Amino acid sequence: EAEVAQSPRYKITEKSQAVAFWCDPISGHATLYWYRQILGQGPELLVQFQDESVVDDSQLPKDRFSAERLKGVDSTLKIQPAELGDSAMYLCASSWGDGNTIYFGEGSWLTVV
Amino acid sequence: DAKTTQPPSMDCAEGRAANLPCNHSTISGNEYVYWYRQIHSQGPQYIIHGLKNNETNEMASLIITEDRKSSTLILPHATLRDTAVYYCIVRVGYNFNKFYFGSGTKLNVKP
Repeated sequence: EAEVAQSPRYKITEKSQAVAFWCDPISGHATLYWYRQILGQGPELLVQFQDESVVDDSQLPKDRFSAERLKGVDSTLKIQPAELGDSAMYLCASSWGDGNTIYFGEGSWLTVV
Repeated sequence: DAKTTQPPSMDCAEGRAANLPCNHSTISGNEYVYWYRQIHSQGPQYIIHGLKNNETNEMASLIITEDRKSSTLILPHATLRDTAVYYCIVRVGYNFNKFYFGSGTKLNVKP
């Protein structure tokens, strides 16, 4: 069964450093999502792509977070500079298109020290 | 922005049916109800979804009330591996649908 691939699985970084997460969606999926999940809470949508275009980044802290999906396939989420409050799991998800079931990757755990 | 209400936790005996309730009183006519679950430290796993009719698949059954203001996810024979947080989600929007997660229900399946 096809899966959403994410890396790294775990990352520890110091405050003020840069960190990046990579996601490869299920082949053929046009819609890609990045979520952030703080321990004990549900996932929160950060950004949504349709192909290479951002269709919703209203909850993305744009002063330090950026996301891109240059060729409409894989995607990178970057944080610079990282802050202690960014410690969370970052989840990537994808779907065939808008309105279809979304499938999640295993997530990338970030600890900022 | 979550549009659903779920109990924070529930217990269920192994082998018995687990019935997880969800209220979505403000749901619109074209909005689907989705259920996902999240086992500790893993990404959420899709379970089932529905619009109006009851649905069943190999994992679970989804019962939606006639007025669509609430639903119940049924795991017919819960096992210890079903211990997880279960999220009820209303898919929002006509275009560029959003999946908003609430805090979910922690289901504890006990031997």
